[in-house]
Amino acid sequence: QKEVEQNSGPLSVPEGAIASLNCTYSDRGSQSFFWYRQYSGKSPELIMSIYSNGDKEDGRFTAQLNKASQYVSLLIRDSQPSDSATYLCAVNVADSSYKLIFGSGTRLLVRP
Amino acid sequence: SQTIHQWPATLVQPVGSPLSLECTVEGTSNPNLYWYRQAAGRGLQLLFYSVGIGQISSEVPQNLSASRPQDRQFILSSKKLLLSDSGFYLCAWTPARGGIEKLFFGSGTQLSVL
Repeated sequence: QKEVEQNSGPLSVPEGAIASLNCTYSDRGSQSFFWYRQYSGKSPELIMSIYSNGDKEDGRFTAQLNKASQYVSLLIRDSQPSDSATYLCAVNVADSSYKLIFGSGTRLLVRP
Repeated sequence: SQTIHQWPATLVQPVGSPLSLECTVEGTSNPNLYWYRQAAGRGLQLLFYSVGIGQISSEVPQNLSASRPQDRQFILSSKKLLLSDSGFYLCAWTPARGGIEKLFFGSGTQLSVL
């Protein structure tokens, strides 16, 4: 069964620090990788996507992908209390254009 | 611009009662439509997806069903709810010609089955 694994947390970091969120996946054929942010009681919103090995930066966010190790990470620089949320890793299913497998999420807490 | 509407926001239903959740998308044609469920502390589970009117693909065998009577309308139903049906239900859409890379969620329905 295809899976996406995340540490549930909570990951607690002080304001201004770098938060590092990690994700591993089982489907070697996956080509598309996403990070969603979900505030409590709200729907997920896409914050980053990555398709190639290496780093992709967007503002304070950096996504990192290593397909050989089947590993995706999200770094949040200069963490703010407003970044406190659950971060969901999602990976496409290789043989489908319509399916994403979501991890259960890592809860991030940024302390003021 | 495209918007997705989902209602109700909160629902409390007794075991064995029926269910109907509705979702509509505005500002786009022939979207791909999805129903996801998120149990407490769990990831999102894909329940159904649809690439066109009357075309429904089911991902998880269960007592839920989905229908797409119109291009931009997607309905999730059950004849008899179970306790295990409790969760956060999310409708989502992607553009017809886009892949899963642009998945947009509705605001969700928190369903409690008691």
